[in-house]
Amino acid sequence: DTGVSQDPRHKITKRGQNVTFRCDPISEHNRLYWYRQTLGQGPEFLTYFQNEAQLEKSRLLSDRFSAERPKGSFSTLEIQRTEQGDSAMYLCASSYESEQYFGPGTRLTVT
Amino acid sequence: GQQLNQSPQSMFIQEGEDVSMNCTSSSIFNTWLWYKQDPGEGPVLLIALYKAGELTSNGRLTAQFGITRKDSFLNISASIPSDVGIYFCAGQLRSGGSNYKLTFGKGTLLTVNP
Repeated sequence: DTGVSQDPRHKITKRGQNVTFRCDPISEHNRLYWYRQTLGQGPEFLTYFQNEAQLEKSRLLSDRFSAERPKGSFSTLEIQRTEQGDSAMYLCASSYESEQYFGPGTRLTVT
Repeated sequence: GQQLNQSPQSMFIQEGEDVSMNCTSSSIFNTWLWYKQDPGEGPVLLIALYKAGELTSNGRLTAQFGITRKDSFLNISASIPSDVGIYFCAGQLRSGGSNYKLTFGKGTLLTVNP
């Protein structure tokens, strides 16, 4: 399977804990994106990388959120001191140009 | 964050019927994309549009990039049960090497009655 993969698919954590998600993009894609989706809404942009450079961050990305793409391949999204409002589906996408291809997402539940 | 206005919010149709949905924005985009999402999965790209007025087909799906660059339409002909899902429009305003982010609508939930 050469699509975008995300790990884990589901994560349940207690409020205040840190969580980290991983995204592996389509291999020839140089751009990687993180989005967050809550129930009944479309995905909302969080941040975007071109190769290893983080080029854009949304105001939604509070100081508790950090994303990295150290070698321009896979990416990680870390949420520190999770809050109940962080419960959502976290989607990763990759692209070469405009057409973004999404992974299956990581469903985060904060209890 | 900003979201596009997508309508209708939901549709319930009989198998074999045609479906139309649209998306409008207060600002222009230079790319429109349409996605389908099944429960618990990520969105799947259906069609990409790059030029105002462009009409593009993918099987039973046809999408158009509005002339004003502020809207787009998706039509599905002869619907089948596997068309069930949530359809999202997304706009992109690339400028140089930046602004690759997508802005999404809230989606249209399509139900097809066999």
